[in-house]
Amino acid sequence: DTAVSQTPKYLVTQMGNDKSIKCEQNLGHDTMYWYKQDSKKFLKIMFSYNNKELIINETVPNRFSPKSPDKAHLNLHINSLELGDSAVYFCASSRDVAGTQYFGPGTRLLVL
Amino acid sequence: DAKTTQPPSMDCAEGRAANLPCNHSTISGNEYVYWYRQIHSQGPQYIIHGLKNNETNEMASLIITEDRKSSTLILPHATLRDTAVYYCIVGSGGSNYKLTFGKGTLLTVNP
Repeated sequence: DTAVSQTPKYLVTQMGNDKSIKCEQNLGHDTMYWYKQDSKKFLKIMFSYNNKELIINETVPNRFSPKSPDKAHLNLHINSLELGDSAVYFCASSRDVAGTQYFGPGTRLLVL
Repeated sequence: DAKTTQPPSMDCAEGRAANLPCNHSTISGNEYVYWYRQIHSQGPQYIIHGLKNNETNEMASLIITEDRKSSTLILPHATLRDTAVYYCIVGSGGSNYKLTFGKGTLLTVNP
C-alpha cells in the first residue's frame, strides 16, 4: 500500500558503472520528481515530470537521464557513475505541478 | 522563490508545544508557506501549508504574521517521534514550481 515506492533501497556499485533507480506511485498523481540529498543533508531537486513530460531540469550532468514510461513511473538512469554521485535519491509525486509532494523512502547510492 | 531563515536547532520537552519559527521577509503576494519534515533516514513528509490565514490540521498549526514576513509552525503536544528536521519553504504554483529545501531546524524532543 506504499504510496511512493523506490527500488532498490540500497545500491553499492563501482565507479564507471551504469545503474538505474526505479520509482512508482499509486496515488494517481500527474507530477513526479527526483531529488538528491548529499552527505551534508542538502535536498535538491533534479528533475520534474508532468504527464510524462519533463518540466524541470536543474543543472544536472548529462550522465543522469530520467525516463517516464507512464504517469505512475519515473526512473532515473545514471551512466558512468562517479564518487560524487554517492547520495540518497528521493522520488516524489504530487497531484499536479503545484500540489503537495509525497516522497518515497529513498535510495541510498554508494559509489566505490 | 523567496528565501527562508530558520534556527539550526531547537529542543522541546515531550508533551509540550513545539514552536518552530521561520522568517521569509522577501515573500511575494502569491507565494505559499509550506512546512515539511524529515525524520532520520526517511523521505520528507508534508505537514501543512498556508497563504495568509492561519491553518490547522491533525498534525500541526501554522501561524502566519499579518505582513507575511514570518510564520510559526506549532506542534501542540510534541512526542519523541516528532524529532526531525523541519523545513520551511516558500513557493508559488505554476509549471516551474519546485520545492527549495534549506537547512531546516533540527527539533529534538526530549523525554
